[in-house]
Amino acid sequence: DVVMTQSPLSLPVTLGQPASISCRSTQGLLYSDGSTYLNWFQQRPGQSPRRLIYKVSNRDSGVPDRFSGSGSGTDFTLTISRVEAEDVGVYYCMQGTHWPWTFGQGTKVEI
Amino acid sequence: QVQLVESGGDLVKPGGSLRLSCTASGFIFTDYYMNWIRHSPGKGLEWLSYISPASHDIMYADSVRGRFAISRDNAKRTVYLQMNSLRVDDTAVYYCAFPARLARDWGQGTKVTVSS
Repeated sequence: DVVMTQSPLSLPVTLGQPASISCRSTQGLLYSDGSTYLNWFQQRPGQSPRRLIYKVSNRDSGVPDRFSGSGSGTDFTLTISRVEAEDVGVYYCMQGTHWPWTFGQGTKVEI
Repeated sequence: QVQLVESGGDLVKPGGSLRLSCTASGFIFTDYYMNWIRHSPGKGLEWLSYISPASHDIMYADSVRGRFAISRDNAKRTVYLQMNSLRVDDTAVYYCAFPARLARDWGQGTKVTVSS
């Protein structure tokens, strides 16, 4: 199975400051259709996961533009340009290229 | 708007069975693969299974293959997860989600607890 390794696992942040989360996969995530199926999710306490970014860098509708995704191959990054209080939660990367599709361990973002 | 509503979660003894349901609305159900994902404190998020629109393409994670079965009823816009031979480590919140590979939309989840 492809292992997704996130770092850090805990991220203390300061309001208004940038923050970034790294995600590394044990295999390249380029699929035969030309897409790289690397997605990012946010889970707030008591809620279901919410997708923020799909296929590396595409922001979902309604997601603030302070969230951005980048990377290629096996190294990917989620960046929050200026952290706001509502960004507290756990963030997961996930690969949908190699079955079984797998998630990272999660990064807890706290103020 | 898209809505996925899971049901069927319960407290069950090891070795027991449960059937989870997920009823969908707000999109063309027969256009999409449907998926089951679970979240447990011990294993985190785990993608368990998917099923194609006509049920011809089905896959399982190793952890549930042979014990769980996914199915769908397109007329009822519902996807199911039959879970047999349940173990303590199957304790989790179970979500349905779509589409495959991308998981744009998730249900609210249904809790399964396996304990004696």
